Amino acid sequence: AQSVAQPEDQVNVAEGNPLTVKCTYSVSGNPYLFWYVQYPNRGLQFLLKYITGDNLVKGSYGFEAEFNKSQTSFHLKKPSALVSDSALYFCAVRSYGNNRLAFGKGNQVVVIP
Amino acid sequence: ETGVTQTPRHLVMGMTNKKSLKCEQHLGHNAMYWYKQSAKKPLELMFVYNFKEQTENNSVPSRFSPECPNSSHLFLHLHTLQPEDSALYLCASSQDQAGFYEQYFGPGTRLTVT
Repeated sequence: AQSVAQPEDQVNVAEGNPLTVKCTYSVSGNPYLFWYVQYPNRGLQFLLKYITGDNLVKGSYGFEAEFNKSQTSFHLKKPSALVSDSALYFCAVRSYGNNRLAFGKGNQVVVIP
Repeated sequence: ETGVTQTPRHLVMGMTNKKSLKCEQHLGHNAMYWYKQSAKKPLELMFVYNFKEQTENNSVPSRFSPECPNSSHLFLHLHTLQPEDSALYLCASSQDQAGFYEQYFGPGTRLTVT
């Protein structure tokens, strides 16, 4: 079985401060890890992924995430948050040979001006 | 724009109606997906098609019937739905079904069953 945990329902951060959205996963074998963002009344938008190689991956809009195998984590980070980063963020995991992408329940990020 | 379009964007239907949701992708992808998104719950995968063949049915009730006539189009036919089926229905596509490809999502159809 594969699953994702996003422990916080909402993350509040002041504009200009670092933003972190936490994700831990459970999967058999090597994971493929993804982050998506959803703005109001829109579908999910791909931000970045980890497949193999360098543990630090960089994605769209200045976001990055670090794969930590020992802690089974894939936290999303941005050095300086913008008000426009306010959205719902989803972490997802998939293992090799599995047709299904397992999503977390999502984290609402609120960036305060 | 992600290259995946969905129509209609909003749909209100009674429990005895029959309606269809349409999805079209302009990305040249070979895999297409239907998801259900309900408030406060993780996305639920419903169906997966790879090269027009259904490869996943996540125990979805038969009142939901998918159709994939070609790799660019995906339909979800609805009939005799229940109020608990009200949700946002998202379509997605990817290069193919391999796990390392990211999925591209459409804007969704907001379905309300009365």
